[in-house]
Amino acid sequence: ETGVTQTPRHLVMGMTNKKSLKCEQHLGHNAMYWYKQSAKKPLELMFVYSLEERVENNSVPSRFSPECPNSSHLFLHLHTLQPEDSALYLCASSQDLGLGGELFFGEGSRLTVL
Amino acid sequence: DAKTTQPPSMDCAEGRAANLPCNHSTISGNEYVYWYRQIHSQGPQYIIHGLKNNETNEMASLIITEDRKSSTLILPHATLRDTAVYYCIVRVPRKPYNTDKLIFGTGTRLQVFP
Repeated sequence: ETGVTQTPRHLVMGMTNKKSLKCEQHLGHNAMYWYKQSAKKPLELMFVYSLEERVENNSVPSRFSPECPNSSHLFLHLHTLQPEDSALYLCASSQDLGLGGELFFGEGSRLTVL
Repeated sequence: DAKTTQPPSMDCAEGRAANLPCNHSTISGNEYVYWYRQIHSQGPQYIIHGLKNNETNEMASLIITEDRKSSTLILPHATLRDTAVYYCIVRVPRKPYNTDKLIFGTGTRLQVFP
């Protein structure tokens, strides 16, 4: 139990569907992250939010749309995905940006795009 | 790109010390070394980090060479639950947002056997 909860844990969607991944942290942290982990590839940083403001968008296609309504919640909205977007999507949080320290990861949402 | 080099896999007998090496020959003076691990189908878990001095916590010890070009993570008494992929990461300070970007490589897959 890391204090970061992701739902759903598994998601199967067609290329024309619209779905969302949700992340909630109960740690009082100010920074939240989305990472993508494809099979046999390193984790890739997608987005970084600090105090609900997006501070990094790591050349992610527009079919991935993040939303951070408050410092405890982070969403990743998905639409018109491709099969190569199938991966484990990990949410993480940290106390603040720029101070180092540890990232707390959720269990991940495993996405399969048909 | 990841700035660390780790062996792809290692084995360790249960109860023995597991010593996981990492090379980071291009590390700069203000970059920290972080270690995370990822147990199958879970999110990465923070283990330990350090700058120059050796560090120890309840999970592991981190030994950093004097020239800081390499480090070793030591699990003093490995258990079967320590079977995981271990990531050695150099933290790259970023500007202008002052975000610190953790870049994950492919890690070392540690197999602890009975």
